[in-house]
Amino acid sequence: DGGITQSPKYLFRKEGQNVTLSCEQNLNHDAMYWYRQDPGQGLRLIYYSQIVNDFQKGDIAEGYSVSREKKESFPLTVTSAQKNPTAFYLCASSVTGNYGYTFGSGTRLTVV
Amino acid sequence: AQTVTQSQPEMSVQEAETVTLSCTYDTSESNYYLFWYKQPPSRQMILVIRQEAYKQQNATENRFSVNFQKAAKSFSLKISDSQLGDTAMYFCACDLSNDYKLSFGAGTTVTVRA
Repeated sequence: DGGITQSPKYLFRKEGQNVTLSCEQNLNHDAMYWYRQDPGQGLRLIYYSQIVNDFQKGDIAEGYSVSREKKESFPLTVTSAQKNPTAFYLCASSVTGNYGYTFGSGTRLTVV
Repeated sequence: AQTVTQSQPEMSVQEAETVTLSCTYDTSESNYYLFWYKQPPSRQMILVIRQEAYKQQNATENRFSVNFQKAAKSFSLKISDSQLGDTAMYFCACDLSNDYKLSFGAGTTVTVRA
């Protein structure tokens, strides 16, 4: 079955560490997105990519980095520069056009 | 700035009753796209319904329907015959610039009581 796979489901980061969240899709979607979800704030866009080898910053890109070397993959790195990384991270993908997103099941990142 | 506002943090409804969730947005565009997403306790985001701004007819998907008021920039979701499985957080989302980026509201938690 087609879908989006995010891994790991839970991730713990020590202070000063970089961690990478995985997002893989087999839907043949061109566009991929990373959102951060915090209680009471809805979803906020971190980065997005509408084509391979190209990506743009969203509203809260500071302290994060991404790559898009393959159509199927859009990993997100949370760097040590992100001062408050504890959150639920959602990856999504879409076809070109406004038909809505398909979401992964999310990664819960906790700083310990 | 493009903003999406959901003014009801929480709502409770009796099983089989109807509940309406409100959403307002701000845009200077004439054509755009609006969505409602459901996030149950599993936290998996599920697309509920989609509305194109240039279509005057309100979208309907089974027990879910919208009331789209373009002039008022309002996009409410009505859940009819509420079921226990409708218990979830509901997010209003909008692509207000036709750039395929969705802006989300803060969400409304709906609890369906047996």
